[in-house]
Amino acid sequence: ILNVEQSPQSLHVQEGDSTNFTCSFPSSNFYALHWYRWETAKSPEALFVMTLNGDEKKKGRISATLNTKEGYSYLYIKGSQPEDSATYLCASRWNSNSGYALNFGKGTSLLVTP
Amino acid sequence: DSGVTQTPKHLITATGQRVTLRCSPRSGDLSVYWYQQSLDQGLQFLIHYYNGEERAKGNILERFSAQQFPDLHSELNLSSLELGDSALYFCASSVQTGGTGELFFGEGSRLTVL
Repeated sequence: ILNVEQSPQSLHVQEGDSTNFTCSFPSSNFYALHWYRWETAKSPEALFVMTLNGDEKKKGRISATLNTKEGYSYLYIKGSQPEDSATYLCASRWNSNSGYALNFGKGTSLLVTP
Repeated sequence: DSGVTQTPKHLITATGQRVTLRCSPRSGDLSVYWYQQSLDQGLQFLIHYYNGEERAKGNILERFSAQQFPDLHSELNLSSLELGDSALYFCASSVQTGGTGELFFGEGSRLTVL
């Protein structure tokens, strides 16, 4: 099984800083790329689902881009706030012999301090 | 509240035993996914069902099995339990099978094997 890799593993920023994380995924047989936000003691919640190369999506201060040819996606947070503290997961779906599995990376843990 | 219900929330059992975890998807969602989260691991994909049929399989052990019933609820059966099976098991549902629909996660079932 091919892997979804996320970097950095963790990040600590000050309130007001802008930040970004990377998700790398296998580019062959690509189907979709998902981003989720996972707060402690809660369940993951979807931020974006992207399918097209060059896709850009935005929700408030959070945005994401997708490059399917080279197999990476960036998640950007502008003007980080303490409530943005969470683990950000990406997941990629590709067609394999075992079907359309949606495989997650290990996540980037973000801590925003006032 | 994602609309996905998982039971039980917590379960403590002994090695060698068998347990069943239950998932009720959001109303109208035909896809159910099972994931395992162990310590220091990301979300490991186990299996995906769509409208009663298995659609994709991940690194699911032979001791584990799952099914989706006509009413669309799903069960994950874990047998001959080992200490290493202790984990948080998530169920997620989606309206689609193709991977472009976001997943809605339940709160998880925490299994402790002693």
